[in-house]
Amino acid sequence: DAKTTQPNSMESNEEEPVHLPCNHSTISGTDYIHWYRQLPSQGPEYVIHGLTSNVNNRMASLAIAEDRKSSTLILHRATLRDAAVYYCIRFYSGGGADGLTFGKGTHLIIQP
Amino acid sequence: DAGVIQSPRHEVTEMGQEVTLRCKPISGHNSLFWYRQTMMRGLELLIYFNNNVPIDDSGMPEDRFSAKMPNASFSTLKIQPSEPRDSAVYFCASSPQGGMNTEAFFGQGTRLTVV
Repeated sequence: DAKTTQPNSMESNEEEPVHLPCNHSTISGTDYIHWYRQLPSQGPEYVIHGLTSNVNNRMASLAIAEDRKSSTLILHRATLRDAAVYYCIRFYSGGGADGLTFGKGTHLIIQP
Repeated sequence: DAGVIQSPRHEVTEMGQEVTLRCKPISGHNSLFWYRQTMMRGLELLIYFNNNVPIDDSGMPEDRFSAKMPNASFSTLKIQPSEPRDSAVYFCASSPQGGMNTEAFFGQGTRLTVV
């Protein structure tokens, strides 16, 4: 039980922004939100993580709702290489193995 | 750094045989994770080590599976005896602290086929 909810799949056009939603309504105050993605035939790859404030890095932006019950991963300009399964993970503050448990993820399809 | 290195990349074995998968984490990382991925069950966390000590092995499916980390630079996942339902891609990942505010780095995986 990954304790996050994501749409099974989403489709977007190349060179357009993509907003991938994630619900984590039972999140506690010290749990981090992590995003990973998995390209075909590869291992998962870290994308971004955050706690309360919005975060930006070279790959994406992470917008976290004020109540922290949901977040959105933003790819500012999608390319065909961004086609992957995107996983939103609630990283438990208690640590341990539960901290990095993957759910089903969102299969992102990019149309040329 | 070469990243997390797993070997072999592919393994085909007969049912009943012993299989050993190997992982070399990134130097300096003190947390290591083993995962199994199948189409039906997705990515499952099998076991998590911190400073070479198994912290949580509740994801290990049964006694046929065992994992060791004899030192900070090497870990093994062993299946004995192997069964066809063990066919999957097995991933190893490492992270600097295993905590919430770091990222984990994954290897390329070992594709295991048990016939």
